[in-house]
Amino acid sequence: EDQVTQSPEALRLQEGESSSLNCSYTVSGLRGLFWYRQDPGKGPEFLFTLYSAGEEKEKERLKATLTKKESFLHITAPKPEDSATYLCAVRLSGGSYIPTFGRGTSLIVHP
Amino acid sequence: GAGVSQTPSNKVTEKGKYVELRCDPISGHTALYWYRQSLGQGPEFLIYFQGTGAADDSGLPNDRFFAVRPEGSVSTLKIQRTERGDSAVYLCASSLTGGGDETQYFGPGTRLLVL
Repeated sequence: EDQVTQSPEALRLQEGESSSLNCSYTVSGLRGLFWYRQDPGKGPEFLFTLYSAGEEKEKERLKATLTKKESFLHITAPKPEDSATYLCAVRLSGGSYIPTFGRGTSLIVHP
Repeated sequence: GAGVSQTPSNKVTEKGKYVELRCDPISGHTALYWYRQSLGQGPEFLIYFQGTGAADDSGLPNDRFFAVRPEGSVSTLKIQRTERGDSAVYLCASSLTGGGDETQYFGPGTRLLVL
């Protein structure tokens, strides 16, 4: 069973059509939850880190939120340049600093 | 440098050959990580260096895979007797000290194709 599950696997939106991506995790002892953006042929680019339930962070059209068992990445009025794969990763408490990644959500925004 | 760099960007080799993949971390970052990413998957952890030493190599799939970081900066991932299943994007990341809640910064990756 995957420890980190992202949904949907793929999402197609029209420009301006707001939506949310989900990242759920089954592990306990969360030390941090990370969101990355990955463009085709490139490495992941850091977006946000969330540490505790109720925390929110924003950057341009993106807002990340965290509950006890899941995180949402809200995309408001997306533009075609927001098209990318969005990866979620969790890091556990207890000494290991190695994050576990989900499989990502592939987002396409049509003009 | 300004970011993490990796060379080569693409590598095509034949089954059974030996390959070396290089990573230059962000200057001053003591922690360095190698990941492997297959198509449609998230990055999968391979090995983590703290300075010159491998602090965690639990993700290396078998003894054909080996990595070094002799001077605590540049790292080389070495794959012996390559197999078609080794084809993937190999990503390198670095962070300042490797502890606490630090962000990892990724390089562009090396796309390895084993024919």
